[in-house]
This record gives sequence, C-alpha cells and structure tokens, in this order.
Amino acid sequence: GNSVTQMEGPVTLSEEAFLTINCTYTATGYPSLFWYVQYPGEGLQLLLKATKADDKGSNKGFEATYRKETTSFHLEKGSVQVSDSAVYFCALFTSGTYKYIFGTGTRLKVLA
Amino acid sequence: GAVVSQHPSWVICKSGTSVKIECRSLDFQATTMFWYRQFPKQSLMLMATSNEGSKATYEQGVEKDKFLINHASLTLSTLTVTSAHPEDSSFYICSASSSNQPQHFGDGTRLSIL
Repeated sequence: GNSVTQMEGPVTLSEEAFLTINCTYTATGYPSLFWYVQYPGEGLQLLLKATKADDKGSNKGFEATYRKETTSFHLEKGSVQVSDSAVYFCALFTSGTYKYIFGTGTRLKVLA
Repeated sequence: GAVVSQHPSWVICKSGTSVKIECRSLDFQATTMFWYRQFPKQSLMLMATSNEGSKATYEQGVEKDKFLINHASLTLSTLTVTSAHPEDSSFYICSASSSNQPQHFGDGTRLSIL
C-alpha cells in the first residue's frame, strides 16, 4: 500500500542553519506530494506541493523537489528562523484512492 | 486563500455525553471532507472520508456508530462523538477539498472527556 516515511525528530538547529527533513514515499501510480506545517495547538497548513516528477514546490524559503527516481520529496531551507519551529508533515495523495497519507511528522526546534 | 473553519476549538465534557464538531468550508464548495484524529506527538490518522450527500466511508477500525459523520451540504460537515469516554479524548482535525482545491485543514478541536 501507499506510505510515507519521514526522518524522526526532533531536529534542533541554531538560527540561520541549513535545514533538511527527509521524506520518501511508496505509492502506486503518480501521487501528488505535499509538505504541511503544524504550529502548536493548531491545525495543518499547506507549506508547498508538487504534482509531478521533477516539480519543485517552494514557499517562504522552503523548497522540495519531487524525485521519482529516488521516490523522495526532501524539505530544505537555507536559513531557518526561530519562527520556523513547528512540526512538519510530508504527505502524498493519489487520485485512485482519493486519500492523503501522512508521515509521522518531524518536530523542528530552532534556537536563537 | 481558501479557509476551513472548525468549531469548537476546545471542548471539555463529562463522560457519557455526545459532542458535535463542525467543519465549514468558508469560500469554496467542498465536495469531500476528511476527518482525522491526532494523538499527542503523532501523525494524523484518517478516520473517515465524506462526500456531500452520501454516507461517509470509514477507515478500518473506526466505529461508525461511535463517530457519526454528516455532510449535508457542500460547506458543512459534522462529526458527533457519541457517548464519549476518556479514551476518546484527542485532537480532531477536519479538512475540505474539491476538484480544484487541494486539501485545506481546519484548526482542529481539542476534545477532553472527564
């Protein structure tokens, strides 16, 4: 079945450090891939998405590239801020199942 | 951008009572709404998928009679936790989507059963 695997957290970085959160997936067909962010006590917000191979999603300095050959969608940011501290979820969606499958989430803590 | 409103944001009630959570799509017609449950420090677990005007499709292991879902209009879905018990305490999140809108999430409802 479809699945998403994320690196375990927590990830603790100093402000302005480079961020990578790994995400790999298993899916039949051609899924769309997403990164969502959840701030404490809130729901999920869409951070970025990519709908086909080699697409790059980007938003607020975050980027992720849909790599079909490695079935990956790693999240990166060149310089993190304290305000980026949150939980990040990688997810996939396939039109065949019409379901979103989420990874377990990676908690990011950025220190000033 | 599209917004999904979830209400209430926090509810505390006694064991044995029923609790209704509303999920509203404010600026687009949501043909499909999803209900998730999130345990502390864990990912979202899909409970059910509801399409407007039809019965919800529940995931394996989710009790239909316990978690009643109604999606009577394109802008409103409700989740009713019937005869709630402490083990039902959790963070419940809804989301809404349509053919030309990706999934948008509500802010969640924290349910605490005493």
